[in-house]
Amino acid sequence: DQQVKQNSPSLSVQEGRISILNCDYTNSMFDYFLWYKKYPAEGPTFLISISSIKDKNEDGRFTVFLNKSAKHLSLHIVPSQPGDSAVYFCAASGGVGDYKLSFGAGTTVTVRA
Amino acid sequence: EAQVTQNPRYLITVTGKKLTVTCSQNMNHEYMSWYRQDPGLGLRQIYYSMNVEVTDKGDVPEGYKVSRKEKRNFPLILESPSPNQTSLYFCASSGTPTYEQYFGPGTRLTVT
Repeated sequence: DQQVKQNSPSLSVQEGRISILNCDYTNSMFDYFLWYKKYPAEGPTFLISISSIKDKNEDGRFTVFLNKSAKHLSLHIVPSQPGDSAVYFCAASGGVGDYKLSFGAGTTVTVRA
Repeated sequence: EAQVTQNPRYLITVTGKKLTVTCSQNMNHEYMSWYRQDPGLGLRQIYYSMNVEVTDKGDVPEGYKVSRKEKRNFPLILESPSPNQTSLYFCASSGTPTYEQYFGPGTRLTVT
């Protein structure tokens, strides 16, 4: 049973607009969350992370929001660019002492010119 | 250049024929892990290793073996591959287990 869920398999957005990717988790022991980006024929690359002690983390055009009570996090990309077209994976970890990452199924983002 | 390498990148084999997928990292990372990616399921962890001679099962370890005799290498062994092990495999490493993991380019395995 998947503990990290990305319910939207795909997202299409116009260049320059905001992309919002959502992720839900069921395990209340998760306390560290990461987003990875993956292009075809390449391995995933780390994008941004957030610890459970925070509710927001920003890095350039990328912002991750965490709502612990709702067990929900989201990734905002502003503004979206053609190079952002990729598959985005949400991942979660139990933090110190938990050496496993649980991944969601991924969301394919397509940025239209 | 810091990287994780995997070989081979593509492999087609037959049921029951033992195979090994190699993984090597040049970042002196303690932690290494193997994942498989399947449509609709995302990445699922197969095995991980905290350091030399320390390995543990992930979520889907059945049918796989690993070893960690050197810090830089973490091979994935399929003793008797079956068609349900057809998948895209990724090796990853990190300096700490819960933070940024560096992934290899992937190995696409087909078992007929």
